[in-house]
Amino acid sequence: DSGVTQTPKHLITATGQRVTLRCSPRSGDLSVYWYQQSLDQGLQFLIQYYNGEERAKGNILERFSAQQFPDLHSELNLSSLELGDSALYFCASSPPVGYEQYFGPGTRLTVT
Amino acid sequence: AQTVTQSQPEMSVQEAETVTLSCTYDTSENNYYLFWYKQPPSRQMILVIRQEAYKQQNATENRFSVNFQKAAKSFSLKISDSQLGDTAMYFCAFMKTSGTYKYIFGTGTRLKVLA
Repeated sequence: DSGVTQTPKHLITATGQRVTLRCSPRSGDLSVYWYQQSLDQGLQFLIQYYNGEERAKGNILERFSAQQFPDLHSELNLSSLELGDSALYFCASSPPVGYEQYFGPGTRLTVT
Repeated sequence: AQTVTQSQPEMSVQEAETVTLSCTYDTSENNYYLFWYKQPPSRQMILVIRQEAYKQQNATENRFSVNFQKAAKSFSLKISDSQLGDTAMYFCAFMKTSGTYKYIFGTGTRLKVLA
């Protein structure tokens, strides 16, 4: 158990819909990262937040957005969902010193 | 731009044997970290080992060790005394420590440990 929690574990929704994925980082970690992993693919970095502020942006679609709240939990919002958005979405957190990332168990999103 | 390359899509090794997974990267940065992550069939991503670029000594964590060649931009992972539980996808990752903090992952090597 990495200490990073993600909810829900599984999500099935229809095309065109909007969903919110939630992540709580490890205690003491200020950074939160979001990744997308399609079937049998590597990890695509989406976005990073540090202490409530956006720090880095990767290959995140305009239909996706994220935020980090004062209690440091983060939410990833996916809208106008398409079949190709079906993937495993990981959240990770990292400590203020060290840079290693601790991953949550992921949210498996299926768009039908 | 930084890139990470894992040239071995799949590998297999007999139980108790040693296997080495390769990773090369390209960067003009001088300060960075390198990592190996493991993703077993459960899909959980697990940190295996990390290496700070400024350290010449290769990192070791129990049966896992790295061969870090900074000039060659190579960062291979050696697994000794392979166990069935080592069967997983292994990802090499790079992170520069200045400017924009962004992880870059390789495409992964699928390792199967054979009984």
